[in-house]
Amino acid sequence: AQSVTQLDSQVPVFEEAPVELRCNYSSSVSVYLFWYVQYPNQGLQLLLKYLSGSTLVESINGFEAEFNKSQTSFHLRKPSVHISDTAEYFCAVSDIGAGSYQLTFGKGTKLSVIP
Amino acid sequence: DAGVIQSPRHEVTEMGQEVTLRCKPISGHNSLFWYRQTMMRGLELLIYFNNNVPIDDSGMPEDRFSAKMPNASFSTLKIQPSEPRDSAVYFCASSLSGGAETQYFGPGTRLLVL
Repeated sequence: AQSVTQLDSQVPVFEEAPVELRCNYSSSVSVYLFWYVQYPNQGLQLLLKYLSGSTLVESINGFEAEFNKSQTSFHLRKPSVHISDTAEYFCAVSDIGAGSYQLTFGKGTKLSVIP
Repeated sequence: DAGVIQSPRHEVTEMGQEVTLRCKPISGHNSLFWYRQTMMRGLELLIYFNNNVPIDDSGMPEDRFSAKMPNASFSTLKIQPSEPRDSAVYFCASSLSGGAETQYFGPGTRLLVL
């Protein structure tokens, strides 16, 4: 069985400051890793994902995440946040193989960007 | 493309009533997912369809829940009878072919059972 732990339920940060949202996972098999973002009253949107290759993956809006197999982590970072980044962020994991459709989500981290 | 469409966006009903949630996936997507989001349990997969066939319904909480996908452009999630503990946000998502493909989520249906 898989599990995902997002260590911080809420993260307040000032505009233009850096931010790191932490994600650790547990799985007995190799995994794919995802970050989804949910803006108020909307569905989730994929932010970025790691399937294979370079352990550092980037999104189009300046976020990046690094897969660390030894620490079973996939932390999300942005060097300078904007007000528009205020949202809830979900880390998710799926098995590689036949069960890869099944995403196990963390409980989410609410990022609040303060002007 | 309009994205995944869900209806209704909000539903308030009384315990014991039947509730039907509807979803139209993105055209061309072969996989459809129903999720439930609650404060206590977070986001949980209820059922997964591929090419209109239910592949994994292990997340369906109990017999009161049922889901159908009569064609590639429509799916329903039905709760009968509804109970207050069913109150949650229900999301439908679709993807091109299942697997690790990106899942595109609808805006959700916020259900309140009194």
